[in-house]
Amino acid sequence: RKEVEQDPGPFNVPEGATVAFNCTYSNSASQSFFWYRQDCRKEPKLLMSVYSSGNEDGRFTAQLNRASQYISLLIRDSKLSDSATYLCVVNRPSKSTFGDGTTLTVKP
Amino acid sequence: DAGVIQSPRHEVTEMGQEVTLRCKPISGHNSLFWYRQTMMRGLELLIYFNNNVPIDDSGMPEDRFSAKMPNASFSTLKIQPSEPRDSAVYFCATSRGGTTGELFFGEGSRLTVL
Repeated sequence: RKEVEQDPGPFNVPEGATVAFNCTYSNSASQSFFWYRQDCRKEPKLLMSVYSSGNEDGRFTAQLNRASQYISLLIRDSKLSDSATYLCVVNRPSKSTFGDGTTLTVKP
Repeated sequence: DAGVIQSPRHEVTEMGQEVTLRCKPISGHNSLFWYRQTMMRGLELLIYFNNNVPIDDSGMPEDRFSAKMPNASFSTLKIQPSEPRDSAVYFCATSRGGTTGELFFGEGSRLTVL
């Protein structure tokens, strides 16, 4: 079993839709969590950090559930420019593990 | 500030040749990571340095791969001899401290081994 498992996607949604991605992790020693965005043929870039108390940045909300060992990303009112691959990252001492990514395509 | 700088951006080589990928981290970042990304396997951590010392190289595929960080401003990933299955995008990423903070990625080196 992979240490980090992510919804495989792809997700194809119309503009304005709300879409949610989940990511589960297996190691309870994991300490920090992030969502990265990767555009086609580009490098991953930090989208937002994930905290137990939740983290909201405009249309994006990230949540951590330590008891169930999963993190989530909610995108509201999706835009064409949100089309990308979203990667969850789970960190513990000396180990940073990326999920395989979920591809989102937002269509007009 | 300049970001993480990788070279070459693209390399096409023939099987059996030696490949050297280079990375210049962001000044002040003391952790450096080499990742490999393919469609089949996603983003895989190859090796992680902290303060120029290799901390975790369990992701290095085999003896054909080696990585060095001779000083705080330079790292190399070498493949010798290269094989077609090594074709991938190799990313270097750095952070201010260990694996718990934000990773800053270079633009990647796209390697094709024929």
